[in-house]
Amino acid sequence: QVQLVESGGGVVQPGRSLRLSCEASGFSFSNYGMQWVRQAPGKGLEWVAEVWHDGGKKYYADSVKGRFTISRDNLQNTVYLQMNSLTVEDTAVYYCARDDDTTGYFSRVGYWGQGTLVTVSS
Amino acid sequence: QSALTQPPSASGSPGQSVTISCTGTSSDVGGYNFVSWYQQNPGKAPKLMIYEVSKRPAGVPDRFSGSKSGNTASLTVSGLQADDEADYYCSSYAGSNIVFGTGTKVTVL
Repeated sequence: QVQLVESGGGVVQPGRSLRLSCEASGFSFSNYGMQWVRQAPGKGLEWVAEVWHDGGKKYYADSVKGRFTISRDNLQNTVYLQMNSLTVEDTAVYYCARDDDTTGYFSRVGYWGQGTLVTVSS
Repeated sequence: QSALTQPPSASGSPGQSVTISCTGTSSDVGGYNFVSWYQQNPGKAPKLMIYEVSKRPAGVPDRFSGSKSGNTASLTVSGLQADDEADYYCSSYAGSNIVFGTGTKVTVL
């Protein structure tokens, strides 16, 4: 079955960096786009980034553009989120998710990981 | 990238129907037929319930239906059951990004 397992979360000081990883299994990873979606404590969902199946295109929310980088390794079945210049507003549970859209509009997230908590605090 | 507007709460008795609205603009909901709905239980990851406005993934009961008119999308849950009690979020493609709704807590009375 499809499994997405995030890792790399933790407590980090403002201005520092953190890299999240998401290891996928149970499906042909290189055939699917992948996303990161976050949820601040007690708040709603916020889309963060998308990477196409081959890594050829990447898209970012304005709130993270220029600070976060999404990437993938199709040999390791892993997607990453490099987060730089972190602020307290980046504190959230970060979900790795599989993009099941077949139209190129990456609007259909069919599978989600369990999430990893990132806390930005001094 | 402003969040789509949903009512904070909605409720209904078992067996009744509840409809949740999701209002955006012509740059998101009104501009594309790529609206999705997700159900989220406390402490859990979201679950896809509706995609492309009105399509249901395999395994989602036909009690869940979606529609759209202009800049507003809607999710209707018919025949409410106790385990439908959850938070519901809409999302829409918005031109090289995705925007989520503010979320609606559905309570089964």
